[in-house]
Amino acid sequence: GAVVSQHPSRVICKSGTSVKIECRSLDFQATTMFWYRQFPKQSLMLMATSNEGSKATYEQGVEKDKFLINHASLTLSTLTVTSAHPEDSSFYICSAHQGAGGNQPQHFGDGTRLSIL
Amino acid sequence: AQSVTQLDSHVSVSEGTPVLLRCNYSSSYSPSLFWYVQHPNKGLQLLLKYTSAATLVKGINGFEAEFKKSETSFHLTKPSAHMSDAAEYFCVVSAAGGSYIPTFGRGTSLIVHP
Repeated sequence: GAVVSQHPSRVICKSGTSVKIECRSLDFQATTMFWYRQFPKQSLMLMATSNEGSKATYEQGVEKDKFLINHASLTLSTLTVTSAHPEDSSFYICSAHQGAGGNQPQHFGDGTRLSIL
Repeated sequence: AQSVTQLDSHVSVSEGTPVLLRCNYSSSYSPSLFWYVQHPNKGLQLLLKYTSAATLVKGINGFEAEFKKSETSFHLTKPSAHMSDAAEYFCVVSAAGGSYIPTFGRGTSLIVHP
C-alpha cells in the first residue's frame, strides 16, 4: 500500500527556534500534499495545500510567512515553522494525494508532535 | 460546497456488540466518501472508501459502510467490536468536480468496554 513517512515524530525546542518537518511519499508520486494541524480532541484543520513545483495554497488565517511549505519533488514536501512560539505547539500531520481527482484517498503520515518551551 | 456531519462525538459500546458511527454529508457534486481511523498520537489510516461503485463498501478490520444517496448518509458499521477498535474515527467527503480538497467531519471517539 501507499506509505507516507513523516519526520520527526516529536520535537521539543526553545521559543524562537525554526523547526522543519518532512513528509515523504515512499512508494508513489504525490502531486498534492496537504498539511494539517490538530488540536487535542479536535478534527484536523487544513493549513495548506502543496502542489509539486508551485507555491502552496494557504487556508484563511494561516500565516504563510510563519509556516513555510516547500514541495520540491513529487515525493517530498516540507513544513518549516519559523520562529516558533509556545502557541505553535500542536500535532502536525501531512498527507499525500495519489493521482488527481477527489476519488483518490489521502495517505497520512504518523504526525509530528511539536512542543515549544 | 461540501460538508460532513458526524452526529456523535462519542460512541460507547461493549466488546462483542455492534458498532454504528453515523455520518451525513452534503456535496454539490458526486461525492467520494472515506472513513479514516486515528489511534492516539498517530496519523490517519484509511478504513474504506466509496467512489460511485458499489453502495455497500467493505473495509479493513471488519468495518463496512453503506452509501445512501436518498439519506445523504455514509454510516460506518461493524458487527462485533473489539478492544483494539477504540480510536477516533473521521468521515471525509471530497468531490471529483470542483475543488477536490477533502472536508473532514469533527470525528467520533469510539469507546469499547470490556
